[in-house]
Amino acid sequence: NAGVTQTPKFRILKIGQSMTLQCAQDMNHNYMYWYRQDPGMGLKLIYYSVGAGITDKGEVPNGYNVSRSTTEDFPLRLELAAPSQTSVYFCASSYSNPTAASYNEQFFGPGTRLTVL
Amino acid sequence: GQNIDQPTEMTATEGAIVQINCTYQTSGFNGLFWYQQHAGEAPTFLSYNVLDGLEEKGRFSSFLSRSKGYSYLLLKELQMKDSASYLCVLNTGGFKTIFGAGTRLFVKA
Repeated sequence: NAGVTQTPKFRILKIGQSMTLQCAQDMNHNYMYWYRQDPGMGLKLIYYSVGAGITDKGEVPNGYNVSRSTTEDFPLRLELAAPSQTSVYFCASSYSNPTAASYNEQFFGPGTRLTVL
Repeated sequence: GQNIDQPTEMTATEGAIVQINCTYQTSGFNGLFWYQQHAGEAPTFLSYNVLDGLEEKGRFSSFLSRSKGYSYLLLKELQMKDSASYLCVLNTGGFKTIFGAGTRLFVKA
């Protein structure tokens, strides 16, 4: 199993450009997540998905969009890149039995380091 | 609201024991994770506590007190490769998690 894969690893964008960060998992996980991590800060949830066709906003969704057409793929779209979006982006997935004490360890991809100039 | 507090940095000596504390405030609580994150890499899972008490896994142990909103990660027989950030993470319900900023641990020879 490849686990969670992300492409690209690094990217430099100019202000106003758009791009899609790719994320795929081969563990048949139903939950997938996008986070951003700024230096010295905790991971912030951008968007999440509980299954194909279902997505919802996390803590910091502005400036981003997602789609989930298959169980495996969860791309993140930046439409008009801004310097504030310079960050490291992590995609993660988990399989959760939705009970109150569910154990849902998240498996992370290697990250995409994005710089917007 | 939700809040997680953990020290920003700690330094310890190879072979020693170190305890990384985490205090939290949350309106919903299902459990508490600890993740390890080496510089420039993705977080990886270390432990998950749901009930009060100590969970031991090799050199690493994690403790939880739900009534006090307190957890700690205990690392024994420190090795140089343990130099990393340790993230305290709340499971606030189902798939929802809140990440702390992390504690950077430096292990010196």
